[in-house]
Amino acid sequence: DGGITQSPKYLFRKEGQNVTLSCEQNLNHDAMYWYRQDPGQGLRLIYYSQIVNDFQKGDIAEGYSVSREKKESFPLTVTSAQKNPTAFYLCASSRGTGSEKLFFGSGTQLSVL
Amino acid sequence: AQSVTQPDIHITVSEGASLELRCNYSYGATPYLFWYVQSPGQGLQLLLKYFSGDTLVQGIKGFEAEFKRSQSSFNLRKPSVHWSDAAEYFCAVVGESNYQLIWGAGTKLIIKP
Repeated sequence: DGGITQSPKYLFRKEGQNVTLSCEQNLNHDAMYWYRQDPGQGLRLIYYSQIVNDFQKGDIAEGYSVSREKKESFPLTVTSAQKNPTAFYLCASSRGTGSEKLFFGSGTQLSVL
Repeated sequence: AQSVTQPDIHITVSEGASLELRCNYSYGATPYLFWYVQSPGQGLQLLLKYFSGDTLVQGIKGFEAEFKRSQSSFNLRKPSVHWSDAAEYFCAVVGESNYQLIWGAGTKLIIKP
């Protein structure tokens, strides 16, 4: 079955530590996205990539980094510069951008120890 | 600036009753509008979308939404809710600047038995 796989489901970060969230898709989609979700708020875009080896900052990119070396993979690193990383992180993909339907993974809950 | 407003944080309805979830947007041109649903601890799933044409849009799971340009609204409706409809519902519009989605804060639907 085609879909998006996020791992791990739960992740804990210590102070000063970088952590990486995995996102893999087998839908052959060109575009991939990372969103942050906090309680009572809508989704906020961290980074997006429309094609391999290219990505753009979203609305809240500070303290995060990404790479897009393969079409299938779009890992997100939460760096120590992100002072408030506790949130639910969602990865999504689509055939194109803009009006295309987004397909979501099941999310990673990141918490700070 | 473009925005999406979902005025109701929570809505409680009895099983079998009708449902309407409100969504208002600010946008300069004809918007691309979406409704997504999120079950607890999961990713989001597209319910329906409006791009142009018929202002009454049918979606999955028996949901429909009506685009009203004069009221800048895109309200989601269902004639008779089921307990399995309990979830959080998000309205979104495609942004004019980078063609990424702008999300409302969500409405949590609670179903009374």
